[in-house]
Amino acid sequence: GAVVSQHPSWVICKSGTSVKIECRSLDFQATTMFWYRQFPKQSLMLMATSNEGSKATYEQGVEKDKFLINHASLTLSTLTVTSAHPEDSSFYICSASDTSRGSYEQYFGPGTRLTVT
Amino acid sequence: GDSVTQMEGPVTLSEEAFLTINCTYTATGYPSLFWYVQYPGEGLQLLLKATKADDKGSNKGFEATYRKETTSFHLEKGSVQVSDSAVYFCALTANSGYSTLTFGKGTMLLVSP
Repeated sequence: GAVVSQHPSWVICKSGTSVKIECRSLDFQATTMFWYRQFPKQSLMLMATSNEGSKATYEQGVEKDKFLINHASLTLSTLTVTSAHPEDSSFYICSASDTSRGSYEQYFGPGTRLTVT
Repeated sequence: GDSVTQMEGPVTLSEEAFLTINCTYTATGYPSLFWYVQYPGEGLQLLLKATKADDKGSNKGFEATYRKETTSFHLEKGSVQVSDSAVYFCALTANSGYSTLTFGKGTMLLVSP
């Protein structure tokens, strides 16, 4: 149980275009979802936290107009990188929690590799 | 704020060697502690966890004990395998609210045959 999927697993896009990454909880209700960014050989940087049906809470320094997060259902959250630039190239990882069960454990997706050319 | 400090890598070992990866933390209250493993090109997988002092988390031969007195959660394995080569992250979360995870910087483990 507690499986989280991400789609796509990798994507290449041209500078100036937008790209959407999906994060799904397959067998549980994800009341809270998290989006992380990971640079090569570095740790995960939390970008934002979202609760189903609410606006995402962004970490300091993360541009909310550039990284649009939608958590419209208990099983799906999306991250849209708008007007992507090469510096947005990174590994994006989502995680999900079912806090309604009193558990704060996060289950991680496999990640999405974004390359902006 | 909360923080996690891990030993820098890479840690290079021969197969069947003993592994220790040190992790210490700073946190208010009584956090839960985790070790995650990341294989090349993949997301994070929970390896083990401990939610209170003196708890020992264990999985796949790996162990870590929650030491409140030394604020540590060192990862150990008695005999590593080549397949254990990965990056290991120590992390903590406060046990309240929808708490975020605070990660260490990660330690790369390379095991040679």
